[in-house]
Amino acid sequence: KAGVTQTPRYLIKTRGQQVTLSCSPISGHRSVSWYQQTPGQGLQFLFEYFSETQRNKGNFPGRFSGRQFSNSRSEMNVSTLELGDSALYLCASSSQGVGESPLHFGNGTRLTVT
Amino acid sequence: EDQVTQSPEALRLQEGESSSLNCSYTVSGLRGLFWYRQDPGKGPEFLFTLYSAGEEKEKERLKATLTKKESFLHITAPKPEDSATYLCATRGYGGSQGNLIFGKGTKLSVKP
Repeated sequence: KAGVTQTPRYLIKTRGQQVTLSCSPISGHRSVSWYQQTPGQGLQFLFEYFSETQRNKGNFPGRFSGRQFSNSRSEMNVSTLELGDSALYLCASSSQGVGESPLHFGNGTRLTVT
Repeated sequence: EDQVTQSPEALRLQEGESSSLNCSYTVSGLRGLFWYRQDPGKGPEFLFTLYSAGEEKEKERLKATLTKKESFLHITAPKPEDSATYLCATRGYGGSQGNLIFGKGTKLSVKP
């Protein structure tokens, strides 16, 4: 069974630009959640989508948004990038949702904002 | 405010030297405590879910336990391949609105 795939693996962007990250979940999983990981703050929950609907949202500004398609693939968008947005962005899929069944993480997209 | 604190931040062990990692949590109405392992350059890998005080789960050399305020991950006779960062996370009914709250992890190094 293929795991969670995130693309691209690495991104370098300039302050003020926007970026879109992609996540393909494990086949059959309807929940996709996104996380930001930094050395200072650790792993922080961004949001969860379940069957195309946002189910939960973490404490991040509105510049961070996402969506989920009918095939459960998900995208995350960050607009007006700031230097502090440099981080590893992880997505995870699960069959029942965050906390209801184990999360299966991808290997992340490393975003560097200069 | 819901919080998860892990200690120590880093732990160095000799192969075969058993030890425990701690996860202290403050959450309104625990809906689950989760342990994950993360290797460098990879996403976290699920280990255990615990739901109620007194619950224990085991997998190979790892054993997770839960009390009303903390969880322990016991590592018995560790091997170098157990080297990784171990993350715990909680989910509660209160202020975090059911979202996962992660600790900052314990980086474990096991030397042969």
